[in-house]
Amino acid sequence: DQQVKQNSPSLSVQEGRISILNCDYTNSMFDYFLWYKKYPAEGPTFLISISSIKDKNEDGRFTVFLNKSAKHLSLHIVPSQPGDSAVYFCAAYNDYKLSFGAGTTVTVRA
Amino acid sequence: DAEITQSPRHKITETGRQVTLACHQTWNHNNMFWYRQDLGHGLRLIHYSYGVQDTNKGEVSDGYSVSRSNTEDLPLTLESAASSQTSVYFCASSESRGQPQHFGDGTRLSIL
Repeated sequence: DQQVKQNSPSLSVQEGRISILNCDYTNSMFDYFLWYKKYPAEGPTFLISISSIKDKNEDGRFTVFLNKSAKHLSLHIVPSQPGDSAVYFCAAYNDYKLSFGAGTTVTVRA
Repeated sequence: DAEITQSPRHKITETGRQVTLACHQTWNHNNMFWYRQDLGHGLRLIHYSYGVQDTNKGEVSDGYSVSRSNTEDLPLTLESAASSQTSVYFCASSESRGQPQHFGDGTRLSIL
């Protein structure tokens, strides 16, 4: 049973606009959330994280929002750039183990 | 720079054969992990280790084993390869709980 869900397999956005990626989770024991970015033929690379005691974390063009009551987090990318075209994974920590969502493929159109 | 390397990057083998995938990290991390990535499933945890001589089963551990004889290496063995184990395998390491895991570039394994 998948505890971290990314219900949108793909997202297409125009260059310069905002990309919003969503993630839902079911396990209330998750206390730390991360987003990873993955290019083809490479391993996932860490993008941004948020602790469950916060509701927002910002790093340059990337902002992650956490709504604990709804068990929902989102990643905002503003403005979207061609290099942002990749697969994005949402992940959550329970103890030392990460649970991953299925990923969302983002395509940034010129 | 510290890194995590996986070998081979690509491998084709036959059902029933034993296969070992290598993972070597120079981060000096105690925690190491093996995942498999399949379409529609994201990354699923196979085995993990919190230190030398420690190994634990993940959610999809059947048919796989690991051993940890030093800090740097966590080889993954498929005892008798099956076609259902065709996948992309990623190794990762982390310093501590709550810290981002660092990933290798993966091994694409095809079992015919």
